[in-house]
Amino acid sequence: KQEVTQIPAALSVPEGENLVLNCSFTDSAIYNLQWFRQDPGKGLTSLLLIQSSQREQTSGRLNASLDKSSGRSTLYIAASQPGDSATYLCAVRGVRTSGTYKYIFGTGTRLKVLA
Amino acid sequence: GAGVSQSPSNKVTEKGKDVELRCDPISGHTALYWYRQSLGQGLEFLIYFQGNSAPDKSGLPSDRFSAERTGGSVSTLTIQRTQQEDSAVYLCASSYAGQGTEQYFGPGTRLTVT
Repeated sequence: KQEVTQIPAALSVPEGENLVLNCSFTDSAIYNLQWFRQDPGKGLTSLLLIQSSQREQTSGRLNASLDKSSGRSTLYIAASQPGDSATYLCAVRGVRTSGTYKYIFGTGTRLKVLA
Repeated sequence: GAGVSQSPSNKVTEKGKDVELRCDPISGHTALYWYRQSLGQGLEFLIYFQGNSAPDKSGLPSDRFSAERTGGSVSTLTIQRTQQEDSAVYLCASSYAGQGTEQYFGPGTRLTVT
């Protein structure tokens, strides 16, 4: 059974720091991995999607890497800003079983960037 | 274009009543997902639609939960005889196809069962 863990659970940093959020998963047979952010009381916003054949994806100040064999992904945020404060979730999509695909979510890292 | 929309945004109901939650996916998205997020918990998968059929209902927690999708578009999640443990935020997501494509989430419906 696939399990997704995110460390740390919470993180508080001063503005301008570069930071790394970690996501690990127990079953390396994944189809893809997606990083989201969730603002309080809001839905999820997709940040980056990495297919299983890819090693990394970049969007602006965000870079996500994937090491499928070791069951790890990291989300790197450069030059953090107070507007980056949110909960960051990673979700792993397993390979097809019984004709379906399913996302398993981690419990998230709650990030606070201090001005 | 318009994103995924959900209604109502908030719902307070008494224990034992039935509730219906609605999701309007992004136009043209064939895949639709329902998730539940309880306080302090991660997102829990409930059900997946491809078109109007639901090949994976494995996440529905009990037979009080059901969902349907009509016209390959709008989906309704119904909870019968609600219990206090059903209180959560119910999130809907859609994607262009069933595999390998990004999921786009709606703002969610916050359900409170009193």
